[in-house]
Amino acid sequence: NAGVTQTPKFQVLKTGQSMTLQCAQDMNHEYMSWYRQDPGMGLRLIHYSVGAGITDQGEVPNGYNVSRSTTEDFPLRLLSAAPSQTSVYFCASMGGSYEQYFGPGTRLTVT
Amino acid sequence: QKEVEQDPGPLSVPEGAIVSLNCTYSNSAFQYFMWYRQYSRKGPELLMYTYSSGNKEDGRFTAQVDKSSKYISLFIRDSQPSDSATYLCAILDSNYQLIWGAGTKLIIKP
Repeated sequence: NAGVTQTPKFQVLKTGQSMTLQCAQDMNHEYMSWYRQDPGMGLRLIHYSVGAGITDQGEVPNGYNVSRSTTEDFPLRLLSAAPSQTSVYFCASMGGSYEQYFGPGTRLTVT
Repeated sequence: QKEVEQDPGPLSVPEGAIVSLNCTYSNSAFQYFMWYRQYSRKGPELLMYTYSSGNKEDGRFTAQVDKSSKYISLFIRDSQPSDSATYLCAILDSNYQLIWGAGTKLIIKP
């Protein structure tokens, strides 16, 4: 049981480039989410999904897209990277008792 | 005013001390309160959660909710260097989304 996995662990992008952060979970959780974590600002919700085919925006969705074609996978796409998107990105899935299980994170730097 | 306020610290205490970590919140309707621990360069992991008010104990950790004051606390007894981490409070809102505190960095000095 791997839990929540994320790839890549580290990424450097140039301004304007696009990329996809991968997230997968093997716990059969319906709810999945993406957060970014910046110093002093805690975790901010980017997008979330309550099941395959259903996604919604969180607190800071601009510049990011998501899709949910299967229960297991929830990729996050950066459309045109900007330096303001330099952050640590966490994917999480939520179990029945509202406990969120987090992946190890992706450290993204945009130059 | 943020919905959940948490002092970012850092909080530095000697090994063996009792640690008190706190958050305040603004919405009296909140019912589920959680504490997550995050080690450096890792994802957060759930430490404890409580429903409604009162205390919950798990080993050296005690979570306390005071709904009249809208104040939640996490106490760590006999603190160890391995407890050094960032502690985040999180509260479940009416849309089943978690509202996060900024996290308090805790340092336990040997």
